Amino acid sequence: DSGVTQTPKHLITATGQRVTLRCSPRSGDLSVYWYQQSLDQGLQFLIQYYNGEERAKGNILERFSAQQFPDLHSELNLSSLELGDSALYFCASSAGTSGGLQETQYFGPGTRLLVL
Amino acid sequence: EDQVTQSPEALRLQEGESSSLNCSYTVSGLRGLFWYRQDPGKGPEFLFTLYSAGEEKEKERLKATLTKKESFLHITAPKPEDSATYLCAVQVDAGNMLTFGGGTRLMVKP
Repeated sequence: DSGVTQTPKHLITATGQRVTLRCSPRSGDLSVYWYQQSLDQGLQFLIQYYNGEERAKGNILERFSAQQFPDLHSELNLSSLELGDSALYFCASSAGTSGGLQETQYFGPGTRLLVL
Repeated sequence: EDQVTQSPEALRLQEGESSSLNCSYTVSGLRGLFWYRQDPGKGPEFLFTLYSAGEEKEKERLKATLTKKESFLHITAPKPEDSATYLCAVQVDAGNMLTFGGGTRLMVKP
């Protein structure tokens, strides 16, 4: 158990809908990362938050957004969902003492999203 | 563009048959190379971090090594419970995100 929690575990929804995925980092970790894992693209970085502020952005679609709250939990919002958004979404956290550089990222169990 | 390539894509071993997994990378400035294990439907589980060429780390039957262009994950006398996908990832000067390779799916038969 990495100490990172994610809810829900599974999500089934329809095209065009909007969903919110939630992540609680390990106790004391300031940095939160979101990754998407699909069969054809592997694990891809989406976005990083550090102590409530956006720190780095990957190839995140404009339909996707995220935020980190004062209690350090994070939410990933996916809107106008398409079939191709079906994937596993992982949250990871790191201590954040160096802003994330050279820090180990610990991954949560993931949310499996299925868009029908 | 930073690239991470893992080989082979899949590897079948008999229990006790040692082997190595390869992770080659082309990056602008390596700050760390990370190895993870992932079981089906689960999140990646951290194994090792390597920071500089020549560094080695060991844990039970696993040993990770790093050169300037690649990393190896050596598995000695594997057991069926070592069956999983092994992922390597790099962190570079440009940012804090991890860039992952495609993984090696390891199957160890009893």
